[in-house]
Amino acid sequence: DAGVIQSPRHEVTEMGQEVTLRCKPISGHDYLFWYRQTMMRGLELLIYFNNNVPIDDSGMPEDRFSAKMPNASFSTLKIQPSEPRDSAVYFCASSLGRRTSLYLSNYGYTFGSGTRLTVV
Amino acid sequence: AQKVTQAQTEISVVEKEDVTLDCVYETRDTTYYLFWYKQPPSGELVFLIRRNSFDEQNEISGRYSWNFQKSTSSFNFTITASQVVDSAVYFCALGSSNTGKLIFGQGTTLQVKP
Repeated sequence: DAGVIQSPRHEVTEMGQEVTLRCKPISGHDYLFWYRQTMMRGLELLIYFNNNVPIDDSGMPEDRFSAKMPNASFSTLKIQPSEPRDSAVYFCASSLGRRTSLYLSNYGYTFGSGTRLTVV
Repeated sequence: AQKVTQAQTEISVVEKEDVTLDCVYETRDTTYYLFWYKQPPSGELVFLIRRNSFDEQNEISGRYSWNFQKSTSSFNFTITASQVVDSAVYFCALGSSNTGKLIFGQGTTLQVKP
């Protein structure tokens, strides 16, 4: 299993540009999460999906941020237009459904390696 | 509402010392999950342990041990005989069985000096 795959690993862009971050969850996982990590705010949950449907997007900071999950194996987080304060590490994570996971000894949330975004 | 508090922002110890990282949580869920993750300087988040709310047994894995006390809503992590390679940021997290949501504490930076 290749784990959760995020791309790109690093992204440097100019203020005002559109940025798209990508995530491939672990096959069979039905939950997908997007987190943002900054020094000031720590690890914040932005949005999460269950079976490709957004469940809670209350952590999305503003309308400039949007996330989609067109199928079970792919999700994107888009920032348009980007601003310097969006600079952070963005993590994607996936997990198995909570009803089944109660009985699975290895249940956990698996994180990708993150995308370090720098907006200049 | 769910909340995780890691009151210790930074801890510095000398190699071979024992160190305990504190975690206190709040939730209204009757069933929930508690986690510890390690984030080394390379930046990835490494899963260390999960505890279910209905299993209060403490756990030991090598030099690591975890003390789950439901009565005080705490899930503390102890590293015995710390090593320089243990230097990292450690996050405690709380997962809801109702929503599937996972939230993190602010993290504790552990520095182990030789």
